[in-house]
Amino acid sequence: ETGVTQSPTHLIKTRGQQVTLRCSSQSGHNTVSWYQQALGQGPQFIFQYYREEENGRGNFPPRFSGLQFPNYSSELNVNALELDDSALYLCASSFWGPPGELFFGEGSRLTVL
Amino acid sequence: EDKVVQSPLSLVVHEGDTVTLNCSYEVTNFRSLLWYKQEKKAPTFLFMLTSSGIEKKSGRLSSILDKKELSSILNITATQTGDSAIYLCAGTTGGATNKLIFGTGTLLAVQP
Repeated sequence: ETGVTQSPTHLIKTRGQQVTLRCSSQSGHNTVSWYQQALGQGPQFIFQYYREEENGRGNFPPRFSGLQFPNYSSELNVNALELDDSALYLCASSFWGPPGELFFGEGSRLTVL
Repeated sequence: EDKVVQSPLSLVVHEGDTVTLNCSYEVTNFRSLLWYKQEKKAPTFLFMLTSSGIEKKSGRLSSILDKKELSSILNITATQTGDSAIYLCAGTTGGATNKLIFGTGTLLAVQP
């Protein structure tokens, strides 16, 4: 069984740039969620994807967008990066259904200078 | 606004001690409460508590959900240095979105 994998593990960008983060879900899972974890904080829900459509969104501006592909992998795109976007971005996969256990990847550490 | 609050924010104990971590929640249409352990990056699942399963135990770890007080505790007995981590509590809401509302976590340091 393959776990959740994310890439890249670390990256540095400058303010105003754009970034794309990638996630492969755990084998058999059809739902992907993205979370932002700032230093010293708990993860914050960005959005969830199921059947290649956004299904639920947290309190994040439209410059945070995503995609889900037919193989259930996903991308998180952030445009016009701001300093406060510096954080650990966690991808989690699960089965579609009632809220329950999420399986997290190791995350992508984004630093915006 | 949905909210999950954890306490203490951090604590330091010695190996062999017993610790209790606290979590309170105000979550619309609450469905379940989850505990995760985060050692470096990826949070790993510990327990899920619902109205049909308000007490869980696994080895030295156990957790209880108090639906009346809207709270949960995580107990760790006979702590080991490997228990050092951030412990995250999260509530889930009703509806189709599997959205977890996390607290800020408790940083536990177990000294030899």
